[in-house]
Amino acid sequence: GENVEQHPSTLSVQEGDSAVIKCTYSDSASNYFPWYKQELGKGPQLIIDIRSNVGEKKDQRIAVTLNKTAKHFSLHITETQPEDSAVYFCAANNFGNEKLTFGTGTRLTIIP
Amino acid sequence: GAGVSQTPSNKVTEKGKYVELRCDPISGHTALYWYRQSLGQGPEFLIYFQGTGAADDSGLPNDRFFAVRPEGSVSTLKIQRTERGDSAVYLCASSLNPGTYEQYFGPGTRLTVT
Repeated sequence: GENVEQHPSTLSVQEGDSAVIKCTYSDSASNYFPWYKQELGKGPQLIIDIRSNVGEKKDQRIAVTLNKTAKHFSLHITETQPEDSAVYFCAANNFGNEKLTFGTGTRLTIIP
Repeated sequence: GAGVSQTPSNKVTEKGKYVELRCDPISGHTALYWYRQSLGQGPEFLIYFQGTGAADDSGLPNDRFFAVRPEGSVSTLKIQRTERGDSAVYLCASSLNPGTYEQYFGPGTRLTVT
């Protein structure tokens, strides 16, 4: 089955700087890669996703890049703000398989 | 609009007891998923419903776990003879249709087995 690895496990960034979180996946058939933000005591919130037919997607301060050859994808947050502090999860699944396989999460702390 | 709701938000039960966890998906969403999240880990898939039927239950850890969705909307996850290792946050998600992929999660039910 699919295996998703995520790095780093913790990340501290000065407010206003950029943050990058990276994930790798094992199943070359995977074609959908969402990112979730989870705040303490809440469920995961979908913040951005990318499908295998594109290499990059951007939504305001958040962008995701995908390298299918290398089987890795990354989340980029620019101009970080204190409210960006949370745990971020990457995930993957493939066509015909509805279940998401999640990474182990990255705890992002924005230092004011 | 209203998101996915789950009740109760917290459940404490004694080892060996039976529990039911409820999920109310986003209105109109035909696909419903249950995941389990242990402390410091990502969610792990349990079961997926398309309409009333369980299309994939490969993530259920053993036969103490069972889930239903009798009318294709609300779902109940049932755990028999609970064990301390069942303690986790149980998350429910819904999606408009299978293949659309975007899954929207509820706040979860924190289950503690003492």
